[in-house]
Amino acid sequence: AQSVTQLGSHVSVSEGALVLLRCNYSSSVPPYLFWYVQYPNQGLQLLLKYTSAATLVKGINGFEAEFKKSETSFHLTKPSAHMSDAAEYFCAVSDWLGGGNKLTFGTGTQLKVEL
Amino acid sequence: NAGVTQTPKFQVLKTGQSMTLQCAQDMNHNSMYWYRQDPGMGLRLIYYSASEGTTDKGEVPNGYNVSRLNKREFSLRLESAAPSQTSVYFCASRLAGGRGTDTQYFGPGTRLTVL
Repeated sequence: AQSVTQLGSHVSVSEGALVLLRCNYSSSVPPYLFWYVQYPNQGLQLLLKYTSAATLVKGINGFEAEFKKSETSFHLTKPSAHMSDAAEYFCAVSDWLGGGNKLTFGTGTQLKVEL
Repeated sequence: NAGVTQTPKFQVLKTGQSMTLQCAQDMNHNSMYWYRQDPGMGLRLIYYSASEGTTDKGEVPNGYNVSRLNKREFSLRLESAAPSQTSVYFCASRLAGGRGTDTQYFGPGTRLTVL
């Protein structure tokens, strides 16, 4: 079964600093990987996804992630944090079940951005 | 386009009561999903429907039933609510045209408290 591990349940950065949220995956087949963001009291919104094309994936709001097969990682980065980036971030791997695609989520990382 | 809508937004039940959570999507998606979100556990799949007329169990199906009413609607029923079912419930949908259509789109969630 596929799984993802997010290191660090809480990450705090200063406004303008680099954001790095870590995700490692386990998969027996080439994975599809996703990052979702959840703002307070809202549903999940797709930030970006890796679907075996380019290994460096650019998403919305200035975020990007790099797929590294040798490290089984898909870390999320943003060069300069903004107060509006404060949210919970989830990494997920797609488990292909024929017509019934299933997402397996990590436990989430709460990002705090301080002045 | 409203996307994925869920009703109600909030609900408080007493142990043993029943209720149905409603989900609808207007994106002509084939697959629909129900997840629950608990602190520190990410999102876990309860049930999914790969296409109209089919439903399958996910990771945590006990205590729940689902109905794929038509292509647009997918409901989740708690027959006899228990405090362990206190959670935030999310519905999601996906186009499901093959491995290139893995993105799931989420509703705003239903916050359920069982006393």
